[in-house]
Amino acid sequence: AQKVTQAQTEISVVEKEDVTLDCVYETRDTTYYLFWYKQPPSGELVFLIRRNSFDEQNEISGRYSWNFQKSTSSFNFTITASQVVDSAVYFCALSMGATGRRALTFGSGTRLQVQP
Amino acid sequence: EAGVAQSPRYKIIEKRQSVAFWCNPISGHATLYWYQQILGQGPKLLIQFQNNGVVDDSQLPKDRFSAERLKGVDSTLKIQPAKLEDSAVYLCASSSSVSSYNEQFFGPGTRLTVL
Repeated sequence: AQKVTQAQTEISVVEKEDVTLDCVYETRDTTYYLFWYKQPPSGELVFLIRRNSFDEQNEISGRYSWNFQKSTSSFNFTITASQVVDSAVYFCALSMGATGRRALTFGSGTRLQVQP
Repeated sequence: EAGVAQSPRYKIIEKRQSVAFWCNPISGHATLYWYQQILGQGPKLLIQFQNNGVVDDSQLPKDRFSAERLKGVDSTLKIQPAKLEDSAVYLCASSSSVSSYNEQFFGPGTRLTVL
């Protein structure tokens, strides 16, 4: 069985602060994919990043960076110099690598509030 | 490229009534998913289609929920009869079978309120 845990229910920061959202996953598969999605108040899920289980390189995209560590089964997401527009609910998700059953297992989400 | 379309965007019904949601995936996407997102939770898979066949419906409450994807394009999700606990946002997503990464594109969702 797969499971994704996002222990932080809600985080509040002041603009320009750095913030890290934690994600811990469980799976027995050796091939799997990890994702982060953003859900702004409008409700539509917006894809941010994916990682496969064989690629542990960290990634940076602008103010966003992701740290994938298989040893601790974690895939954490850091926003540098946060902005008010970053306020949203962020979901970490996991899917199997096997062809066919690739539905996403989501964590419960972390609500990020960035205060001006 | 047009995104995933869903309708209606909002629906309010009374318990024991029936309701249906419609989804039109991105053109050419063979895989279609229906997720249920209860307030304060992450989306949970209800059913996955590959073309017009069901791949996974293990979490679909089959006594009241049904879904179909005729001709492997549009899909309809139905609830009959609805219960209070069915109040949620119903999300449709699609992905291309060609991609090994399974990037899923989500629609805006249908917010269902059962009174």
